[in-house]
Amino acid sequence: AQTVTQSQPEMSVQEAETVTLSCTYDTSESDYYLFWYKQPPSRQMILVIRQEAYKQQNATENRFSVNFQKAAKSFSLKISDSQLGDAAMYFCAYRRATLLRGANSKLTFGKGITLSVRP
Amino acid sequence: DAGVIQSPRHEVTEMGQEVTLRCKPISGHNSLFWYRQTMMRGLELLIYFNNNVPIDDSGMPEDRFSAKMPNASFSTLKIQPSEPRDSAVYFCASRRGNLNEKLFFGSGTQLSVL
Repeated sequence: AQTVTQSQPEMSVQEAETVTLSCTYDTSESDYYLFWYKQPPSRQMILVIRQEAYKQQNATENRFSVNFQKAAKSFSLKISDSQLGDAAMYFCAYRRATLLRGANSKLTFGKGITLSVRP
Repeated sequence: DAGVIQSPRHEVTEMGQEVTLRCKPISGHNSLFWYRQTMMRGLELLIYFNNNVPIDDSGMPEDRFSAKMPNASFSTLKIQPSEPRDSAVYFCASRRGNLNEKLFFGSGTQLSVL
């Protein structure tokens, strides 16, 4: 079974600084997807960024980027120029790549990390 | 598009009562997921449907939990009888097709069982 581990329960960052959130996972699959989701106090789960395991290039979305280390099974999220609106819970998630037509696979989440941003 | 719609947003009930949570997925999405979020266990998948058919219900905690998807635009998660340990936020999410990885979540139902 796949597992996703986020070992840091909380982190804090100064506004405008950079912060890195850690995530490791365990799988025997070679093809899969990794995700970071943001959950602000409104509870809405928002997809921040995703990475396909077959791609060596790290995904980037504006101020958000990942450091994907496939051999180490590590998938960290870097937030640059942190803003007050970045304060939220962040979840790392894993999903097997779907190869068979008609099949689906589930997202497995880590326990999340609470990020606070200091003004 | 209104997104995934869940109701109610909050539910407070007494132990032993039946609780029904409702979800309307995004139109055109053929996969629907029910997740439960607690502080202790994080986000856990309870069950998911593909084309209205339950594919994996291994996460459903016990027989007190049941989920249905009578058509492509509606799903329910029922707990009968409810217990205090069922208190959590329950999320519904939907996705289009097999290879589109983006999962859209509803705003969740905060359930408190007293």
